[in-house]
Amino acid sequence: DTEVTQTPKHLVMGMTNKKSLKCEQHMGHRAMYWYKQKAKKPPELMFVYSYEKLSINESVPSRFSPECPNSSLLNLHLHALQPEDSALYLCASSQQRTSGVETQYFGPGTRLLVL
Amino acid sequence: LAKTTQPISMDSYEGQEVNITCSHNNIATNDYITWYQQFPSQGPRFIIQGYKTKVTNEVASLFIPADRKSSTLSLPRVSLSDTAVYYCLVAGGTSYGKLTFGQGTILTVHP
Repeated sequence: DTEVTQTPKHLVMGMTNKKSLKCEQHMGHRAMYWYKQKAKKPPELMFVYSYEKLSINESVPSRFSPECPNSSLLNLHLHALQPEDSALYLCASSQQRTSGVETQYFGPGTRLLVL
Repeated sequence: LAKTTQPISMDSYEGQEVNITCSHNNIATNDYITWYQQFPSQGPRFIIQGYKTKVTNEVASLFIPADRKSSTLSLPRVSLSDTAVYYCLVAGGTSYGKLTFGQGTILTVHP
């Protein structure tokens, strides 16, 4: 199983809502990532978890709150988002966060629209 | 992390070979070159990775000259389904899994 799943596929939320994005992998990977991708732009790294601990936060605003409940799951909690946060949110995983030579496996993403 | 430069877009026709070149002048000794493919509204997908000379797998070849300041992704006999964005990334042992995507090359394959 080389699949990373993400739910929901689409999400529309108001600026006062609280929602969560979910990501799951069963490849035994110990590193998981959140990326944000705006239209016609490359993915941008947001967070990296390694062995269920947050190891990289790319200066992401606190209205995005990641959580890694166990080695297979990764959540991204959203609160008080702005319209400019509308984007495709991608989850990825790799064996372990030792180097950039590891293959990262990406999910299909959650398309988020903030009204 | 080494910066990469690729053509913004390329056009090709079905059955042709496509070569996409990536420039990475400040590549470090322990950096590898990796290419990802992304279809609209999907996550990127690993295509191929190499350190030097030539690497080939079932979908592509990667050519890296001796100075490693550039690399070329070669897609043999493309089809319409190869229409996608192709990203060249350079990362290595000190990047701790941190991938930096460049702007990518939009490849459009025409019938």
